[in-house]
Amino acid sequence: AQSVTQPDIHITVSEGASLELRCNYSYGATPYLFWYVQSPGQGLQLLLKYFSGDTLVQGIKGFEAEFKRSQSSFNLRKPSVHWSDAAEYFCAVLRGAGNMLTFGGGTRLMVKP
Amino acid sequence: GAGVSQSPSNKVTEKGKDVELRCDPISGHTALYWYRQSLGQGLEFLIYFQGNSAPDKSGLPSDRFSAERTGGSVSTLTIQRTQQEDSAVYLCASSLVGAGEQFFGPGTRLTVL
Repeated sequence: AQSVTQPDIHITVSEGASLELRCNYSYGATPYLFWYVQSPGQGLQLLLKYFSGDTLVQGIKGFEAEFKRSQSSFNLRKPSVHWSDAAEYFCAVLRGAGNMLTFGGGTRLMVKP
Repeated sequence: GAGVSQSPSNKVTEKGKDVELRCDPISGHTALYWYRQSLGQGLEFLIYFQGNSAPDKSGLPSDRFSAERTGGSVSTLTIQRTQQEDSAVYLCASSLVGAGEQFFGPGTRLTVL
């Protein structure tokens, strides 16, 4: 069965520091991968997606992610974190004929001033 | 344009009562999904509608859960005889067929006392 693992439940970084959130997936075929962000009390907002082609994808808010097939990973990065980036981040893979999303457990990001 | 909307934003009910949650998808989106976000289970798929096809109910946790979609647009998720473990945030998403990108509503927070 397809699954998504986000090894880090919580991460704290200082404002201005770089960020990398890890995501590993288990999927037989070429996966369609996503990163969503959820601010407190809000729904999910799509940051970026990977379907095929260039393995480094750019998203909104200065985020990027790199698909590495050999490592079954799709890590999210940002060179300089802003206090407004504090939120919960979810990695997800599309599965099934109905294109349902299977989510990782999420990583809560806290930003220190 | 308008995004996905859900109502109510919050619902408090007593154990054993029935509840109805509503989702208005983005106009023109033929695919509609319901997900549930709870502390213990994370984000999990519940049900998927695509046009006039029979819905994919494979994620519904019990027969107390049902959903319908009228006219290919608005959807209602019904939970009968609510239990405390049904307390969660219920998220609705819509997408264009095959696009893979799902747009989420703000969710309905359900609390069962």
